[in-house]
Amino acid sequence: QLQLQESGPGLVKPSETLSLTCTVSGGSIGIVSYYWAWIRQPPGKGLEWIGSLYYSGSTYYNPSLKSRVTISVGTSKNHFSLKLSSVTAADTAVYYCARQRGDYGNLHWFDPWGQGTLVTVSS
Amino acid sequence: EIVLTQSPGTLSLSPGERATLSCRASQSVSSSYLAWYQQKPGQTPRLLIYGASSRATGIPDRFSGSGSGTDFTLTISRLEPEDFAVYYCQQYGSSPGTFGQGTKVEIK
Repeated sequence: QLQLQESGPGLVKPSETLSLTCTVSGGSIGIVSYYWAWIRQPPGKGLEWIGSLYYSGSTYYNPSLKSRVTISVGTSKNHFSLKLSSVTAADTAVYYCARQRGDYGNLHWFDPWGQGTLVTVSS
Repeated sequence: EIVLTQSPGTLSLSPGERATLSCRASQSVSSSYLAWYQQKPGQTPRLLIYGASSRATGIPDRFSGSGSGTDFTLTISRLEPEDFAVYYCQQYGSSPGTFGQGTKVEIK
């Protein structure tokens, strides 16, 4: 059974870079028709897609965050990472990684999701 | 980007009752590319429906999705105690994919 697990610092200072890793177990990132995504949820609020990655390295980002986001494949091919630069308090959220169905760059639904990790931006 | 508006914000019902949740898009969602998720407090979102009406693996048949264009509905035919949660719709027909703000189904 495919499982995803986020890891990384729970506290980041304003203006610094948030870095998270998603470890995939029970499967591989290199599967046709699946993308690997990051989604976030500010406390008490709704969900926002951050961006997605295909195993070949192709990336797709939400235009609202594109200038600050980098998503990349890990060297072992069973994990991928998120970097969000110049963070502010508005970036405080639970960050989820998820597998995303898709084809030819058309991104679809998310399933399954990781447990999520809370990242707080504060000095 | 497409804005999804979910209504009502909160639905107060009793176990055994029927729940009808609405998701309205600011413009037509191509190919009925709409999904529904359930999120319980402190838990991760769970995929219920994709393609507007296809149930995800393992989802009970009391959950059903319908709609096209700009109007979509999630129906829970008979609420079980474990169904009280927040439900989100997501459109993936237009980039960027977007989510609705959620509907909370609470016990009356």
